[in-house]
Amino acid sequence: EIVLTQSPGTLSLSPGERVTLSCRASQSVNSNYLAWYQQRPGQTPRLLIYGASSKATGIPDRFIGSGSGTDFSLTISRLEPEDFAVYYCQQYGTSPSITFGQGTRLEIK
Amino acid sequence: QLQLQESGPGLVKPSETLSLTCTVSGDSITRTSHYWGWVRQPPGKGLEWIGSIYYGGNTYSDPPLKSRVTISVDTSKNQFSLRLSSVTAADTAVYYCATVAGWVTRWGQGTLVTVSS
Repeated sequence: EIVLTQSPGTLSLSPGERVTLSCRASQSVNSNYLAWYQQRPGQTPRLLIYGASSKATGIPDRFIGSGSGTDFSLTISRLEPEDFAVYYCQQYGTSPSITFGQGTRLEIK
Repeated sequence: QLQLQESGPGLVKPSETLSLTCTVSGDSITRTSHYWGWVRQPPGKGLEWIGSIYYGGNTYSDPPLKSRVTISVDTSKNQFSLRLSSVTAADTAVYYCATVAGWVTRWGQGTLVTVSS
């Protein structure tokens, strides 16, 4: 089973800043099958990125996924107020078995 | 448009079996392009994949839960179901049904299940 470790656990930032979230896998993720989700309070998760770097439909350009092998990241180039949420990575290289990271909380400073 | 709706008891006693059903509308459960899955989220915590099923019956579960999880499909009702046996307070969570094509493509709204006597 692939374990995903996200860091940091919580980030406090201001709107307009740039942020990079990390997701590290315990072993190489097959074909870079790595997705990112955003979850706002009281809402279901929203797919942002799949295949490590492909944007889901309707996702703004400020969200950028990158990485390969065991190290992946999600960069938000300029934080908007609605971006303050919890972000999860998920690997599907072992699909149909999948795993999620524990999440990174992005809070307003 | 595909929609998923969870249903089942919101309160389950410790040591009993949690049973949830997901009703699929707007698509056929025999669709071959994805799996039908369950994900849970304990209050204030992260997402945890429970397991998935292909309409033909092949099932896959998270290893720590595998011995307690049963996932099944009822094609006549366009539903799939989750049974989690021998529950404890640690199984208290919002349970989501979902479509899984590698990543999760669609989520149900989620249903809170509390394990308490």
